[in-house]
Amino acid sequence: EAEVAQSPRYKITEKSQAVAFWCDPISGHATLYWYRQILGQGPELLVQFQDESVVDDSQLPKDRFSAERLKGVDSTLKIQPAELGDSAMYLCASRGPGLSYNEQFFGPGTRLTVL
Amino acid sequence: GESVGLHLPTLSVQEGDNSIINCAYSNSASDYFIWYKQESGKGPQFIIDIRSNMDKRQGQRVTVLLNKTVKHLSLQIAATQPGDSAVYFCAELSGKLIFGQGTTLQVKP
Repeated sequence: EAEVAQSPRYKITEKSQAVAFWCDPISGHATLYWYRQILGQGPELLVQFQDESVVDDSQLPKDRFSAERLKGVDSTLKIQPAELGDSAMYLCASRGPGLSYNEQFFGPGTRLTVL
Repeated sequence: GESVGLHLPTLSVQEGDNSIINCAYSNSASDYFIWYKQESGKGPQFIIDIRSNMDKRQGQRVTVLLNKTVKHLSLQIAATQPGDSAVYFCAELSGKLIFGQGTTLQVKP
């Protein structure tokens, strides 16, 4: 069964350092999402890509966060510099053509701890 | 702002009993309402959804009820099993998915 892949699964870093997370969506899925999930809360959308283009990044803290999907396949989310409040689970999801917005498939996430 | 929320942070049920997880929403313009299950260390997994023009939808062992009058959504799980233990989120689709805060379902053997 096809799955969304994410790496690393866990990341511990010190504040002010740079971190990067990688996501490989299900093959053929043109839409890719990055979410942030704070412990005990539901995921919150950070950025949405359609192929290589950003569709929605209104909730992305652009002073420190960046996301790219250069070839419209895999994607990288970067934080520089990391802050204590960035500790959270970062989830990637993808959606295939013809599927509605609610049919998103989530990866296992990257658990970030900022010390 | 508008939000989707759950009434109880934790629900504990006996194995074999039925579970009911509730959610209140505030955006009456949402097109879909969705329930997700999230197990420890995993991403959310789609369970069932319901369009805003429906009031009930059934799946395998699960039923979602939508009451638009009071803006209430519920997920019913029949014959709850240990494998149902997880955090359950309701979400609404209004251009993008907006998730509530989650209810932890604990199944006692």
